[in-house]
Amino acid sequence: QSVLTQPPSVSGAPGQRVTISCTGSSSNIGAGYDVHWYQQLPGTAPKLLIYGNNNRPLGVPDRFSGSKSGSSASLAISGLQVEDEADYYCQSYANSLTAPYVFGTGTKVTVL
Amino acid sequence: EVQLVESGGDLVQPGRSLTLSCEASGFMFDDYAMHWVRQAPGRGLEWVSGISWDGSSVAYGDSVKGRFTISRDNAKNSLHLQMNSLRPEDTAFYYCAKDSGDTVKAEPALFEYWGQGSLVTVSS
Repeated sequence: QSVLTQPPSVSGAPGQRVTISCTGSSSNIGAGYDVHWYQQLPGTAPKLLIYGNNNRPLGVPDRFSGSKSGSSASLAISGLQVEDEADYYCQSYANSLTAPYVFGTGTKVTVL
Repeated sequence: EVQLVESGGDLVQPGRSLTLSCEASGFMFDDYAMHWVRQAPGRGLEWVSGISWDGSSVAYGDSVKGRFTISRDNAKNSLHLQMNSLRPEDTAFYYCAKDSGDTVKAEPALFEYWGQGSLVTVSS
């Protein structure tokens, strides 16, 4: 039921920069709603990584950054580290009575 | 430190009922909206239900509407999800999540903290 589209996987060597796209529509991201990102390490619960498009909660390294433009958003990881290997999900609000909270399809980041 | 601890997950037969609970600590529980988000094994995240700070406003995803009921007890800092008429496709880890705001179906609409999850398996 995901309505935000992400690439299934991205990979990079340690130290490289990777980006994850999140494509929505005029009923969610394109309507002006903020985008949030979550990191899910293997076998653990999701954790808030980026909120309000480009803000980091306390404790999140500054190598993680977010941006938004039109109906899409992106998460960038600079200086990729082994511990960044995880699943990443975008999330937004939507003009929908039945599905007001929408998640992305998820992206697996692999550190080569 | 914010802590959310889910309980109640179990193996149940199709058509039966189950109630999940979430005990919250480390923040003013009655100031915030709360949610349930689920994740089928090996799959992505799906928002299930949300409830405003005072319980006056609730919302459900299409796949559970009419079968699941969310509630909260602010005196006991607890959140609950009553699940009826369970189906095999309801099999998932169910996460309790704290909103950063006090209502549902409105921004900021983000899940600030998550519990560790409780596994519900629906199978005969």
